[in-house]
Parts: sequence; C-alpha cells; structure tokens
Amino acid sequence: SYVLTQPPSVSVAPGQTARITCGGNNIGSKSVHWYQQKPGQAPVLVVYDDSDRPSGIPERFSGSNSGNTATLTISRVEAGDEADYYCQVWDSSSDHPENYVFGTGTKVTVL
Amino acid sequence: QVTLKESGPVLVKPTETLTLTCTVSGFSLSNARMGVSWIRQPPGKALEWLAHIFSNDEKSYSTSLKSRLTISKDTSKSQVVLTMTNMDPVDTATYYCARINNYYYYMDVWGKGTTVTVSS
Repeated sequence: SYVLTQPPSVSVAPGQTARITCGGNNIGSKSVHWYQQKPGQAPVLVVYDDSDRPSGIPERFSGSNSGNTATLTISRVEAGDEADYYCQVWDSSSDHPENYVFGTGTKVTVL
Repeated sequence: QVTLKESGPVLVKPTETLTLTCTVSGFSLSNARMGVSWIRQPPGKALEWLAHIFSNDEKSYSTSLKSRLTISKDTSKSQVVLTMTNMDPVDTATYYCARINNYYYYMDVWGKGTTVTVSS
C-alpha cells in the first residue's frame, strides 16, 4: 500500500516559517491535502489539492507538491499554529489501494 | 452550516460488535458531489481511514479491516452507520466521521469524534 512519511516534529520560533514535508513515491502525481489537529480536537482541513485553501484558512498556510515530496508551509508562525499536521492522498494506483492514506503526522512546536 | 455528529457506545467488550452512527446536517447524503468517511485515531497515534460511502451507495473499505467493517446510510434520516465486528483492545480509539469531496477526495468537514474503549 502507499506510504506517506512525515518528520515527527518541527520546531519554529514565532514569526518564522515552518515547513512540513510529506514524502511518498511520485506524490507529485497525486492531489495532496493537509489537516491541522489541535489537542483534543478534530482535524481541520487547511490545504486541499496541493495548494488551495478552504475559506477561513489564513493565507499564511500554503502548499506545494512535486516529485516525491509535498510541503505545507506556515508563514509568520503564531502560537495558535501549534498542532499536529497530517498530509493525505487518495491512492488508486496499486492493486490493493488503501484509498485514503494519511501521513504519519508532524507535531509543530512554537518555541 | 454543515455538521456531523458521531454517536455510539463509549465502552465495548472484546469480541463484541461496535455500531457507530454519524448524523449529518447542512447537506444531503444524496448529493452527488459528496460522501461520508469514517476515520479513527488510537490514543497518541496517527489518523487511519476506515471506510467511505457515496450518494450512489458506492462503498469502499480499508484493506486491512475490510473483513470486519460494514458501512451503510439512511438518506431519509441523514445518517451513516459503521459496524465493526470482533472488537479488540487495539481498536480503542477516537472515531470520526467526515464529509468527503468526491472530486479531490479530501475531508472538508469533520465531526468532533467519539471515543470508544475496548475492555472487558
């Protein structure tokens, strides 16, 4: 089945830029979505289709996807951005697709 | 306003069958552009997709759990039901339902989740 690999943690100072990677075989050919999950809360969609933002999500959140790596970028990081972030794709490429695949998750800590 | 709300037992015993209900509002389960998925998250672990159902009653299941899962919907009641058989302590998790966008296959609105503990 398709595997998405994320770094376990990313630390960033307030006002700086956080970059969270999501690695997968030829992920650039897939549509990647990103979710933010704060402690004790349900996930929230922050980026869909590689780089689009749902309404209400700040422009500070952006995404890119190419080759074997997709990236979620959080600019001008705020304390409220501290959360777990998950990437997700729809996998229909293998004989036994897992369909929706989530990444391993990255904990973003604001220093 | 689109909302989804999960309901079901808080505690189940090993080998029992779990039945969870997702009640939706603000959209119709007959909407061709949308579906509903179930996702779970064991304590301290990552999200795991379980199953989805679309308006045309198309269903899909996680390969690893397919033999234990059944998803169904009652459009008139705006409900999606997931059953999982032969529960085990490793199935202890928070279970979420979420609305799916059929075109890009992302979950754009999530319920708050319901925590299920499997213990004798």
